[in-house]
Amino acid sequence: DAGVTQSPTHLIKTRGQQVTLRCSPKSGHDTVSWYQQALGQGPQFIFQYYEEEERQRGNFPDRFSGHQFPNYSSELNVNALLLGDSALYLCASSLAVTGELFFGEGSRLTVL
Amino acid sequence: KQEVTQIPAALSVPEGENLVLNCSFTDSAIYNLQWFRQDPGKGLTSLLLIQSSQREQTSGRLNASLDKSSGRSTLYIAASQPGDSATYLCAVKKAAGNKLTFGGGTRVLVKP
Repeated sequence: DAGVTQSPTHLIKTRGQQVTLRCSPKSGHDTVSWYQQALGQGPQFIFQYYEEEERQRGNFPDRFSGHQFPNYSSELNVNALLLGDSALYLCASSLAVTGELFFGEGSRLTVL
Repeated sequence: KQEVTQIPAALSVPEGENLVLNCSFTDSAIYNLQWFRQDPGKGLTSLLLIQSSQREQTSGRLNASLDKSSGRSTLYIAASQPGDSATYLCAVKKAAGNKLTFGGGTRVLVKP
């Protein structure tokens, strides 16, 4: 049973570029959430997708957008990258009703 | 707004000593609380999940307690080993399907 998988694991971009990160949820899970973790800090909630719709959003600008596909996989897009967007981006999946989140290994984004 | 605090930010103990990690939260109306382990540059591994109706959860050498009224949870790790060295994060959820709010983590070093 595969857990939550994320790609790519590492990537480097320059300021102003755009990036797309991908996530496949744990088998049987229908809800995907994205978190940003800056170095030395706890993860911060970006948004949550369920039934292909954004259900909740944290305090992140519109440069951060996402999508959920019919197979429950998800993408996180960040436009007009800033140096401060450098972080570990974590995807988590769950069954909407049980509440327990399972996290992937993350995508490490470096913006130069 | 829920705020989660973990003190101390870092902790160093000799092998064999019991570990006590603290987590406090400002809003006692939580759905559940989860403890995670994070190795450097890696994703989050769930250790224990405590529902709001529970007082504690145990798994092997790990025991987590929850006191909602005082807004506190404690993670105990018995007979620490060098392999327990990692960052430990606690997170609370306000309602089913809702986002997780994380503390800043406690970085633990167990010295042989």
